[in-house]
Amino acid sequence: KQEVTQIPAALSVPEGENLVLNCSFTDSAIYNLQWFRQDPGKGLTSLLLIQSSQREQTSGRLNASLDKSSGRSTLYIAASQPGDSATYLCASGGGADGLTFGKGTHLIIQP
Amino acid sequence: EAGVAQSPRYKIIEKRQSVAFWCNPISGHATLYWYQQILGQGPKLLIQFQNNGVVDDSQLPKDRFSAERLKGVDSTLKIQPAKLEDSAVYLCASSLARAHYEQYFGPGTRLTVT
Repeated sequence: KQEVTQIPAALSVPEGENLVLNCSFTDSAIYNLQWFRQDPGKGLTSLLLIQSSQREQTSGRLNASLDKSSGRSTLYIAASQPGDSATYLCASGGGADGLTFGKGTHLIIQP
Repeated sequence: EAGVAQSPRYKIIEKRQSVAFWCNPISGHATLYWYQQILGQGPKLLIQFQNNGVVDDSQLPKDRFSAERLKGVDSTLKIQPAKLEDSAVYLCASSLARAHYEQYFGPGTRLTVT
């Protein structure tokens, strides 16, 4: 059974800093890895999807990488802004099993 | 393109009562998912539909939860009778197909069981 772990559970940094969120998974036989953002009381917003054959994806200030062999993914946020404050979730896609989520990293960007 | 729609957004019921949630996926999306998100946790898959057929319901508490997707479009998730531990956000998601495709989530229904 796939298990997804996110470190750290919470992070608070000053505005403007670059930061890295970590995600690890136990079963490397994944189809894809998806990063989401969740604002308080809201649903999930998809940020980046990395297929199993890809190494990374970029969108604006966000860059996500995937290393299947080591069971790791990272989300890099450049030049952080207060509007980036949210909970970030990673999820592994195993084909027929839907997504398996980590517990998330609660990020606060201090103005 | 309209996103995934869910209703109601909030629901408060007493234990042992019944409740139903509705989801309308993105047009053309064949695969529909229901997830349960308990406070402080990541979402957990409850059931997955491909068109109007169930693909995976292994984590659905079938003694109290049921779901259907008639005609392969809208879906309803029902809880009867509700327990205190069912308090959570119920999220619906859809994708073009299974496996490699991106999932898009609705705003969720926040259920409080008292």
